[in-house]
Amino acid sequence: NAGVTQTPKFQVLKTGQSMTLQCAQDMNHEYMSWYRQDPGMGLRLIHYSVGAGITDQGEVPNGYNVSRSTTEDFPLRLLSAAPSQTSVYFCASSPKGGRTGTKNIQYFGAGTRLSVL
Amino acid sequence: RKEVEQDPGPFNVPEGATVAFNCTYSNSASQSFFWYRQDCRKEPKLLMSVYSSGNEDGRFTAQLNRASQYISLLIRDSKLSDSATYLCVVNRITGGGNKLTFGTGTQLKVEL
Repeated sequence: NAGVTQTPKFQVLKTGQSMTLQCAQDMNHEYMSWYRQDPGMGLRLIHYSVGAGITDQGEVPNGYNVSRSTTEDFPLRLLSAAPSQTSVYFCASSPKGGRTGTKNIQYFGAGTRLSVL
Repeated sequence: RKEVEQDPGPFNVPEGATVAFNCTYSNSASQSFFWYRQDCRKEPKLLMSVYSSGNEDGRFTAQLNRASQYISLLIRDSKLSDSATYLCVVNRITGGGNKLTFGTGTQLKVEL
């Protein structure tokens, strides 16, 4: 099973460039999220979606856009890359509902390592 | 104060040792709790959920103390393959839905 697939695995951008990080899941999960992970900061939520057509901001949304046109896909767009966006980006999906203790479990993709010069 | 706090470590232990990690959370409205494991340069993966009554999965035991607002993870008979970073994760319900907060992780190194 593929699970959560992220592309690309690595990317180098110049300041001001734009790009889209791709995320797809094949588990029919309703919830999808984007996180960034920086040293000493833990995982921080950028944007999330509770279903197709519905997105909302997380803790650190500035400089990023998302859309959710299908259940499977949740791309993250960097509008104008800045060095502060150098990070490791993880996409995650989660099933809706479920027994207490099992719902809200996040299934992560392998990550995208982004460097902005 | 951070919403979820962990000792970053590293904890260096010999193979076969028992090691325990603690995690504290600040919001008493937190409802569900998890431990994730993250290997170097890999994605986090669920290790176990933490139930109010405590729960065990093989060599791993998780405990929750709501009164003191901390979660613990005990690893018995440590293996070299247990070397990783362990993330404490806390979930609470907000007006916007579920809010997951990740700790920064505790690094474990198991040595021969």
